[in-house]
Amino acid sequence: AQSVTQLDSQVPVFEEAPVELRCNYSSSVSVYLFWYVQYPNQGLQLLLKYLSGSTLVKGINGFEAEFNKSQTSFHLRKPSVHISDTAEYFCAVSSRGGADGLTFGKGTHLIIQP
Amino acid sequence: EADIYQTPRYLVIGTGKKITLECSQTMGHDKMYWYQQDPGMELHLIHYSYGVNSTEKGDLSSESTVSRIRTEHFPLTLESARPSHTSQYLCASSAVQGLNSPLHFGNGTRLTVT
Repeated sequence: AQSVTQLDSQVPVFEEAPVELRCNYSSSVSVYLFWYVQYPNQGLQLLLKYLSGSTLVKGINGFEAEFNKSQTSFHLRKPSVHISDTAEYFCAVSSRGGADGLTFGKGTHLIIQP
Repeated sequence: EADIYQTPRYLVIGTGKKITLECSQTMGHDKMYWYQQDPGMELHLIHYSYGVNSTEKGDLSSESTVSRIRTEHFPLTLESARPSHTSQYLCASSAVQGLNSPLHFGNGTRLTVT
């Protein structure tokens, strides 16, 4: 069985400040990790993914995430946020690679304050 | 810009009514999915399909049913709506089973059953 824990339900941060959204997972097998973003009144879209190789993964909109196997974490970071980054962010894990094996976290609401 | 379309965006309906949520994609994707999303909760997979005439139940038990008669169309039906069905329903698709094919989401249907 696999599971995902997003430690913060809500993260407020000032514009142009750095941000880290935390994600921990548990799985008995090798995993593939994803971050999705959901803007207000829209569906989810893929930010970035870790499949193998380099543990630092770069995604769209200036986001990056680091896979840490020993700490079973996949935290999402951005050095300087903008108002347009206000959204819900979902961490997801798959042990099978296909979307029917994808387990999502409960999401973190990123609130950018001017 | 969405290549996967869900209608209606919002639906308020009385208990006992039959409803169909529409989902269509123009990308020729074989795999399609329905997720249920409640505020502050993880997304739960309720149905998926590998292609025409293929339908499978997801991790979360649901009283809804789906059909896949055409590649591009994956409607979800509730024969008798109840207040417990109030939720947001997200449709998604992916090209092939595997690691490098992300999910493409529609903008969702927010269903309220009174």
